Amino acid sequence: ELKVEQNPLFLSMQEGKNYTIYCNYSTTSDRLYWYRQDPGKSLESLFVLLSNGAVKQEGRLMASLDTKARLSTLHITAAVHDLSATYFCAVDGWGQKLVFGQGTRLTINP
Amino acid sequence: DSGVTQTPKHLITATGQRVTLRCSPRSGDLSVYWYQQSLDQGLQFLIQYYNGEERAKGNILERFSAQQFPDLHSELNLSSLELGDSALYFCASSPEGGVVTGANVLTFGAGSRLTVL
Repeated sequence: ELKVEQNPLFLSMQEGKNYTIYCNYSTTSDRLYWYRQDPGKSLESLFVLLSNGAVKQEGRLMASLDTKARLSTLHITAAVHDLSATYFCAVDGWGQKLVFGQGTRLTINP
Repeated sequence: DSGVTQTPKHLITATGQRVTLRCSPRSGDLSVYWYQQSLDQGLQFLIQYYNGEERAKGNILERFSAQQFPDLHSELNLSSLELGDSALYFCASSPEGGVVTGANVLTFGAGSRLTVL
């Protein structure tokens, strides 16, 4: 059974700092997704990573995928308050099932 | 607005009751997915339909059932409700459902918050 694990689960950081969220998964897959969820809101697609070594960047967020290590990272550069949210990674499981990690709740303090 | 419409947004009911959650997928999407989000279980995949047919099944309880209609909208039926069924239920849609040739990005609706008292 495909398992997706994120760490840390909770992250409190100051504005201007850099940090990385890690996403490990248990079986071979070359499709990994990052989503953002604001409190009480829906999930919004951030990145789609489709191959080993894929790197995507949008503003202060950069995601990468290492399929051999079964690891994806979401790097936050010079964090700002607006990035406070819960971030999920998800991996394609068998069939069309998308398996999500537990989510990382990110709080960015002024 | 993501294009995925879920109703109702909020629902409060009692244990033992039955409720139906409705989802209209984004225009052009053939696949509908249902997820349950609770504090202790995270985001759990329940079931997927593609063009009216069940395609994948996750941790869906026997008390729950779903279907996708010819107009592609979907309904999730929850019966004999228990306190533990209180959660946010998300519907998502995507264009793909069969052989995935590339990214299968899900577009999520705003969710239906179910409270069982």
